[in-house]
Amino acid sequence: QQQVKQSPQSLIVQKGGISIINCAYENTAFDYFPWYQQFPGKGPALLIAIRPDVSEKKEGRFTISFNKSAKQFSLHIMDSQPGDSATYFCAASMYGQNFVFGPGTRLSVLP
Amino acid sequence: EAGVAQSPRYKIIEKRQSVAFWCNPISGHATLYWYQQILGQGPKLLIQFQNNGVVDDSQLPKDRFSAERLKGVDSTLKIQPAKLEDSAVYLCASSLGTGAYGYTFGSGTRLTVV
Repeated sequence: QQQVKQSPQSLIVQKGGISIINCAYENTAFDYFPWYQQFPGKGPALLIAIRPDVSEKKEGRFTISFNKSAKQFSLHIMDSQPGDSATYFCAASMYGQNFVFGPGTRLSVLP
Repeated sequence: EAGVAQSPRYKIIEKRQSVAFWCNPISGHATLYWYQQILGQGPKLLIQFQNNGVVDDSQLPKDRFSAERLKGVDSTLKIQPAKLEDSAVYLCASSLGTGAYGYTFGSGTRLTVV
């Protein structure tokens, strides 16, 4: 119940394309769903996050879509750039604690 | 503001040796976390401190791992004795407090046990 599933494991997108990463969870007590971006040799950095009371949140080229009934959420990266090449982790938490991370998606954006 | 500082950046030890990692959180951040990130996996929480008290250490292998946060600021994570499967990046993160959504990670310490 504490697991967060993430797909795909890796993703290759052409510059200017749309990158989509999907996550699913089981525990309905989760109330916060962040996405983290990690570059090699660095710690994960918060990219964007959503609460379950909204279905979509957009920040620049990054959008989270949230489907509460399906217990799924996804990250969309519009106009993907080579600088977006990194590993992306979805996560879920209860009351800002007990963060559970997905296994990660390695994104490569080709120039 | 300064980020979360961790040292050393890299460490190579032989199995059964001991090792310690250090973390200095962002000034004023009451909550501190240690995560283990095995290559190709997401971070896994080892221990969470609120000031100098332990909030959650349910996933800390207590037979070999220990952590402390004296004076509610810096923290050290120790492994004794190390096993091959402890090879991973150990990440420290901090936040203003429990319930403070989203927190800041350090760059981590990459441990290789040979």
